[in-house]
Amino acid sequence: NAGVTQTPKFQVLKTGQSMTLQCAQDMNHNSMYWYRQDPGMGLRLIYYSASEGTTDKGEVPNGYNVSRLNKREFSLRLESAAPSQTSVYFCASSVSSGAGTDTQYFGPGTRLTVL
Amino acid sequence: ILNVEQSPQSLHVQEGDSTNFTCSFPSSNFYALHWYRWETAKSPEALFVMTLNGDEKKKGRISATLNTKEGYSYLYIKGSQPEDSATYLCAFKGNNDMRFGAGTRLTVKP
Repeated sequence: NAGVTQTPKFQVLKTGQSMTLQCAQDMNHNSMYWYRQDPGMGLRLIYYSASEGTTDKGEVPNGYNVSRLNKREFSLRLESAAPSQTSVYFCASSVSSGAGTDTQYFGPGTRLTVL
Repeated sequence: ILNVEQSPQSLHVQEGDSTNFTCSFPSSNFYALHWYRWETAKSPEALFVMTLNGDEKKKGRISATLNTKEGYSYLYIKGSQPEDSATYLCAFKGNNDMRFGAGTRLTVKP
């Protein structure tokens, strides 16, 4: 099992460019998440998908869109990148999300720089 | 705003020392408290999930306690080893989404 995979690992964008971060999990998990991690701050939730076909905003959704393509895949799109979106992005998955007791499994991260 | 605070921000100890750090979280609407271990250049990995007031969990030399009434959890490492060097994250689940603390960065010197 690969667990949670993310592509790309690194990306440099110019302000205003768009891109999609890809995430896939092979653990048959129902719930998937996108976080960003900035120095001195905890992981902050951007969007999550409790189950296939649903998506919900997290703590910091502005400037992002997501698509839960199927049970395995959850993508994060930046339509018009801004320097404030320079961050490390982590995708995670868990069996479910409701009770909050399920462990989240994280991907290796995508380091994004917006110039 | 759900504030999850971790202290200290960083900690340097000698091999063999025992150490502990704190996670503070809102004491209302508590569902679960998670601890993760995050090594540099890797992904966070789960250590414990705790749900009941008074819970104690242990994995090898690492243990954790939970006080939901006052809103804190302690993580203890007994006899620290260099391989324990990592950032330790806690995450609070209330009736909204999971909120992570900024972590305690532990460095164990041989």
